[in-house]
Amino acid sequence: NAGVTQTPKFQVLKTGQSMTLQCAQDMNHEYMSWYRQDPGMGLRLIHYSVGAGITDQGEVPNGYNVSRSTTEDFPLRLLSAAPSQTSVYFCASSYSGFRRGVSGELFFGEGSRLTVL
Amino acid sequence: DAKTTQPNSMESNEEEPVHLPCNHSTISGTDYIHWYRQLPSQGPEYVIHGLTSNVNNRMASLAIAEDRKSSTLILHRATLRDAAVYYCILRGLSGNTGKLIFGQGTTLQVKP
Repeated sequence: NAGVTQTPKFQVLKTGQSMTLQCAQDMNHEYMSWYRQDPGMGLRLIHYSVGAGITDQGEVPNGYNVSRSTTEDFPLRLLSAAPSQTSVYFCASSYSGFRRGVSGELFFGEGSRLTVL
Repeated sequence: DAKTTQPNSMESNEEEPVHLPCNHSTISGTDYIHWYRQLPSQGPEYVIHGLTSNVNNRMASLAIAEDRKSSTLILHRATLRDAAVYYCILRGLSGNTGKLIFGQGTTLQVKP
């Protein structure tokens, strides 16, 4: 198993550009989520999904869009990048406790470092 | 959203036990307590989780208070490789179980 795969690992954008951070998992996990981590700070939840076709907002959703058309993939879109979105982005996945009656552990990707100039 | 409170930082000496506390006074009956850690320049990794009883695994032990309003992650013999940020979160089985809030965590320094 590859686990949770994030691409790209590094990206530099100019203000106003758009891009998509990719996240894929091969563990058949229902739950997927995106976090951002600013330097010296903790993780903040952007968006999450408890299954294909279902998404919801986290703590800091503004400026980001997500969709979940398949179980495996959960892309994060920045429609018009801003310097405030410079951060490290982590994708995570797990079995859904609500659906399976277990409190599944989260598996994280290695992160995508985004710089917006 | 159920939240947790942790000290910002703690220090330990190498090869000594470390007790990392977490308060979660608004925990509900179906919330599990999860601990993760994040090594420098890496993504977070799972450490341990529990519901009511104390739990042990190869990485650590989790001690849960009887009223479940607090818990303690125990590293039995800290090593330099245990220097990381440790996060305590709650994950429920009912209702909105997707909004998993991590907070700032506790930065553990291990001194040789």
